[in-house]
Amino acid sequence: DIVMTQSPSSLAVSAGETVTINCKSSQSLLSSGNQKNYLAWYQQKPGQSPKLLIYLASTRESGVPDRFIGSGSGTDFTLTISSVQAEDLADYYCQQHYSYPLTFGSGTKLEIK
Amino acid sequence: EVQLVESGGGLVQPGRSLKLSCLASGFTFSNYGMNWIRQAPGKGLEWVASISSSSSYIYYADTVKGRFTISRDNAKNTLYLQMTSLRSEDTALYYCARRHTMGITSDYWGQGVMVTVSS
Repeated sequence: DIVMTQSPSSLAVSAGETVTINCKSSQSLLSSGNQKNYLAWYQQKPGQSPKLLIYLASTRESGVPDRFIGSGSGTDFTLTISSVQAEDLADYYCQQHYSYPLTFGSGTKLEIK
Repeated sequence: EVQLVESGGGLVQPGRSLKLSCLASGFTFSNYGMNWIRQAPGKGLEWVASISSSSSYIYYADTVKGRFTISRDNAKNTLYLQMTSLRSEDTALYYCARRHTMGITSDYWGQGVMVTVSS
């Protein structure tokens, strides 16, 4: 199974700051066939279902603000949230969608100071 | 508008069975693979099972293999999860989610249904 290691587990920032969340996979998520990285990012606001933000490492899902940026390749990935807003208060999870079993990172709790 | 509505949860004793349903609307259900994902209280996300659009391909997490069965009825736009030999560690909010067209991740999620396994 592919193990996803996410860091930090929590962070607190002020509105307007930039946030970086890291995710590392135990094996490469890069497909040799199409050179795409099979890594997704989800946002889960308090009391809500998860929402897909990013798939294929850097492709924003429709309707997701462009302040959410996914990057990385192979085994190391990053979610950057620029100019954080109060509404970004949430838990963030990475997930590999390279192979079964699908596996998630342990999550990052983002708090707004 | 894509909607996924789970039902069938509740309180059940260890060792007993429960069947969850997920009614889909707002899209052509028979064209999409589907996932079940769960979240224990205060914990992270755990993938449970996946099924392809025609039920040809089915996958399970090791933690539920042999105890849970995922199935679907495309005529009824409904996804199912039959859970048997339930354990306390199966206590969680169970989400039904639609598989993304660009891979096996999930683009739309239901609101979830709670399953509590306790005596």
